Amino acid sequence: KQEVTQIPAALSVPEGENLVLNCSFTDSAIYNLQWFRQDPGKGLTSLLLIQSSQREQTSGRLNASLDKSSGRSTLYIAASQPGDSATYLCAVIRPGANNLFFGTGTRLTVIP
Amino acid sequence: NAGVTQTPKFRVLKTGQSMTLLCAQDMNHEYMYWYRQDPGMGLRLIHYSVGEGTTAKGEVPDGYNVSRLKKQNFLLGLESAAPSQTSVYFCASSYSIRYNEQFFGPGTRLTVL
Repeated sequence: KQEVTQIPAALSVPEGENLVLNCSFTDSAIYNLQWFRQDPGKGLTSLLLIQSSQREQTSGRLNASLDKSSGRSTLYIAASQPGDSATYLCAVIRPGANNLFFGTGTRLTVIP
Repeated sequence: NAGVTQTPKFRVLKTGQSMTLLCAQDMNHEYMYWYRQDPGMGLRLIHYSVGEGTTAKGEVPDGYNVSRLKKQNFLLGLESAAPSQTSVYFCASSYSIRYNEQFFGPGTRLTVL
């Protein structure tokens, strides 16, 4: 069974700092990996989707990388802002499955 | 373009009552999903659909039923609610499982007393 782990569970950084969020998964045979953002009491907002054949994806200040062989992905956030405060979730889809397998998330707080 | 919408946003039920959660999407997606989110458990798939008229079980289907009579709608039913079904329920949709991102609705917070 695919297990997805996100460490740390919570992270606080001062505004303006660059930061990296980590995601690891046990089965490297995946179709894709998706990063989401969840604000308190809200739904999930898709940030980036990386296909298994890709190494990274970028959107604005966000850059996500994927290393299938080691079962790891990172989400890099440049020049963090208080508005980036949220819980960040990663999720993978593996062949033969019909759903995303989610990590439990990293709760990010950016301090003004 | 509303994306994925869910009704209701909040609901409180007594044990044994029934209810239906409605999910609607206007993106012409084939695939639709129902997840539940519980503290410390992450999101888990309840049921999903790969097209109009189809449904299939996910990871935690017991106590739930679903229907997809129209492509844009996916209904989740609880026939006899139990306190263990207290959770936040999310609907999602996508063009495909393998190549496309999933889009999520805002969620329904359900409490069963």
